[in-house]
Amino acid sequence: DTGVSQNPRHKITKRGQNVTFRCDPISEHNRLYWYRQTLGQGPEFLTYFQNEAQLEKSRLLSDRFSAERPKGSFSTLEIQRTEQGDSAMYLCASSRRQALDSGNTIYFGEGSWLTVV
Amino acid sequence: RKEVEQDPGPFNVPEGATVAFNCTYSNSASQSFFWYRQDCRKEPKLLMSVYSSGNEDGRFTAQLNRASQYISLLIRDSKLSDSATYLCVVNMGGQLTFGSGTQLTVLP
Repeated sequence: DTGVSQNPRHKITKRGQNVTFRCDPISEHNRLYWYRQTLGQGPEFLTYFQNEAQLEKSRLLSDRFSAERPKGSFSTLEIQRTEQGDSAMYLCASSRRQALDSGNTIYFGEGSWLTVV
Repeated sequence: RKEVEQDPGPFNVPEGATVAFNCTYSNSASQSFFWYRQDCRKEPKLLMSVYSSGNEDGRFTAQLNRASQYISLLIRDSKLSDSATYLCVVNMGGQLTFGSGTQLTVLP
């Protein structure tokens, strides 16, 4: 399977714990995005990388959230001191650099479901 | 005002019906437009891009009106398998902004 891969797929954690999600993009894609989706809402942009550079961060990405893509391949999204409001599906997506400009689009992984209890 | 607005529905239609979804966006500089489909507890998947000239893919037709900042999706001869949430998506400055989605249920 050469699609976007995310793990873990499901995570239940106690409030105050730290969690980390991993994303492996499609291999030839140099852009990688993180989105968050809650029930009844569309995905909300969190951040994106062009290779290893983090080019944009949403104001939704509080200082408890950190994302990295150290070698320009896989990425991690860490949430520190989790709160119940962090419960959501965290989606990773990837694209070629020119994808959006040329009218092509991004491809999502299956998502990582986080439940904070 | 949300950047991308959609009627949340739900739309409940019988098989074979024609159904239309509408979407408006706030940023006139938006560059490209898409409809995504999302099944329950699954990731969004691209349904079709939307072009100014309008485009059709089988039973699906998408239209874009840049002057009105309005996008539409028409589904003809709806099937049970069309039941899903349809997300209007706008490329704003290199990132995709999603609407909240319109839920469609096609009834037998």
